[in-house]
Amino acid sequence: AQSVSQHNHHVILSEAASLELGCNYSYGGTVNLFWYVQYPGQHLQLLLKYFSGDPLVKGIKGFEAEFIKSKFSFNLRKPSVQWSDTAEYFCAVTHNYGQNFVFGPGTRLSVLP
Amino acid sequence: DVKVTQSSRYLVKRTGEKVFLECVQDMDHENMFWYRQDPGLGLRLIYFSYDVKMKEKGDIPEGYSVSREKKERFSLILESASTNQTSMYLCASSLGHTRLYYGYTFGSGTRLTVV
Repeated sequence: AQSVSQHNHHVILSEAASLELGCNYSYGGTVNLFWYVQYPGQHLQLLLKYFSGDPLVKGIKGFEAEFIKSKFSFNLRKPSVQWSDTAEYFCAVTHNYGQNFVFGPGTRLSVLP
Repeated sequence: DVKVTQSSRYLVKRTGEKVFLECVQDMDHENMFWYRQDPGLGLRLIYFSYDVKMKEKGDIPEGYSVSREKKERFSLILESASTNQTSMYLCASSLGHTRLYYGYTFGSGTRLTVV
């Protein structure tokens, strides 16, 4: 079965610091990869996704992620975080023919003003 | 804007009660899902449905059942609520097979407490 791991449970950064959140998956076939974000008290929203093509994908609010197939990874990055990025971030994986995601356990990001 | 609406934001129920969680989507999505969200465990799939009257077990279906009588509505049923079912329940919908590119649309969640 597919599984998704996220390296950090809770990350604390100061504003303007750079961010990298790790995500690794176990599935060996063709995968589709997503990052979702959940701001406090809000529903989960799609941040970015990778289906094919350029392994470096850009999402909303200045986030980007890089798919490295050889490392089974899809790490999320942002060069300079803001207080408003405080949220929980979930990596999710699905196979090409699957209709449901497998989610990672989530990483809570706290950005200090 | 696609909307997924969950009927209750907060619920408190007693052990042994039968609990119904309702979810409605307004964009004619084929797929609907129920997840539970627990700290440190992320989102775990309980049940999903590809079509009306169709249902598939997810990773943790024990103690739950579902109903999808109409395309827009997907209900989660806790047959006899237990304290270990205290959790945040998330409903989601998506376009069907081969169109998962568009991802899920999530509801705001129902925080269920079983006492």
